[in-house]
Amino acid sequence: QVQLLESGPGLAKPSETLSLTCAVSGYSISSGYYWGWIRQPPGKGLEWIGTIYHSGSTYYNPPLKSRVTISVDTSKNQFSLKLRSVTAADTAVYYCARTDGTWEWDYWGQGTLVTVSS
Amino acid sequence: QSALTQPASVSGSPGQSITISCTGTSSDVGSYNLVSWYQQHPGKVPKLIIYEVIKRPSGVSNRFSGSKSGNTASLTISGLQAEDEADYYCASYAGSTTFVVFGGGTKLTVL
Repeated sequence: QVQLLESGPGLAKPSETLSLTCAVSGYSISSGYYWGWIRQPPGKGLEWIGTIYHSGSTYYNPPLKSRVTISVDTSKNQFSLKLRSVTAADTAVYYCARTDGTWEWDYWGQGTLVTVSS
Repeated sequence: QSALTQPASVSGSPGQSITISCTGTSSDVGSYNLVSWYQQHPGKVPKLIIYEVIKRPSGVSNRFSGSKSGNTASLTISGLQAEDEADYYCASYAGSTTFVVFGGGTKLTVL
């Protein structure tokens, strides 16, 4: 069974970089599918951040594109998110998830809350 | 403001049917049969319940069904049950620049 698990600091300071990793088990990232990040501010809706293919091709939400980098490490079967110059508006639960070429998200991580505060 | 528009809330009694709408534009919902729906209980992870407008993942109850007309997609839940009380989100592919847009979510209350 495919499982995803996010990890990373739960607190980030304003203007700094938020870094998260998603470890995948039960499926080899290098075998295919797309892997992405979705976030949900407290009490609010879902927002797609970006997606990466195992080959390294990336796709980003235009409003976030200038601040986001998603990378993949197939040797560790994991992928990562870096969000630069964070503000309080970036406080959210961050989910990693899997999608195929039709852009629905079938497997999700448990989510990790990242708070941006000094 | 979300790219896709959903009603903030809907309600229904057990056994009834309800429909949640998801209105987009000709650049997303209207152009692609790539609408998906997610159910999220409080404090839980979103769960995929409909994909490609009408398809149900294995294990999802057939009480959930999807449809689309023009720029509006819909999720219908029949035979409403207490366990259906949750937030529901739609999402759509939106082309090779925007890629994915979500709706703002609908809170379903089972009376």
